[in-house]
Amino acid sequence: NAGVTQTPKFQVLKTGQSMTLQCAQDMNHEYMSWYRQDPGMGLRLIHYSVGAGITDQGEVPNGYNVSRSTTEDFPLRLLSAAPSQTSVYFCASSGQGRETQYFGPGTRLLVL
Amino acid sequence: GENVEQHPSTLSVQEGDSAVIKCTYSDSASNYFPWYKQELGKRPQLIIDIRSNVGEKKDQRIAVTLNKTAKHFSLHITETQPEDSAVYFCAAETGRRALTFGSGTRLQVQP
Repeated sequence: NAGVTQTPKFQVLKTGQSMTLQCAQDMNHEYMSWYRQDPGMGLRLIHYSVGAGITDQGEVPNGYNVSRSTTEDFPLRLLSAAPSQTSVYFCASSGQGRETQYFGPGTRLLVL
Repeated sequence: GENVEQHPSTLSVQEGDSAVIKCTYSDSASNYFPWYKQELGKRPQLIIDIRSNVGEKKDQRIAVTLNKTAKHFSLHITETQPEDSAVYFCAAETGRRALTFGSGTRLQVQP
């Protein structure tokens, strides 16, 4: 079991560029979420999904899109990167039986 | 939506002392309250959690208490050790597995 994996580990973008942060889990979890963590702060929910084909907005969804075409994958798309999106992005998943969320290793994003 | 407040933001204790971190939440529908430990540059790691039908839970040196009426929950770490030094986050969940996090407490255990 690889658990929750995220790619890339680190990315530098220029303002206005777009990119997709990848998240995958091999635990057959129904629930997946994206959080961002700014320096010295807690995690804030961007988008989440309760199953394939179902997504919903979290606390800070603006500038991000998600889709959930399979149970395993939950990519996060930055449409037009802005310096305010410089952050560490964590993906998490949890299964039907327990609320415990398992976090991926994170993607560190720098937008210049 | 849910709002979680966490105090203190920093906490320094001597090795062997106890540490207490407190959180309050706003949404009475929240029913799951995890605590995460995060070391520098690492992902958050679950250390203990509690559900709304339980008032207290203990796991070795770590315990969590929940007061649903007052909407607050606390993390207690006894016999602290230098390896307990990290940032601790509380969180609350109202369902659909979407967590609202507190702002974090940086715990420093002095040897």
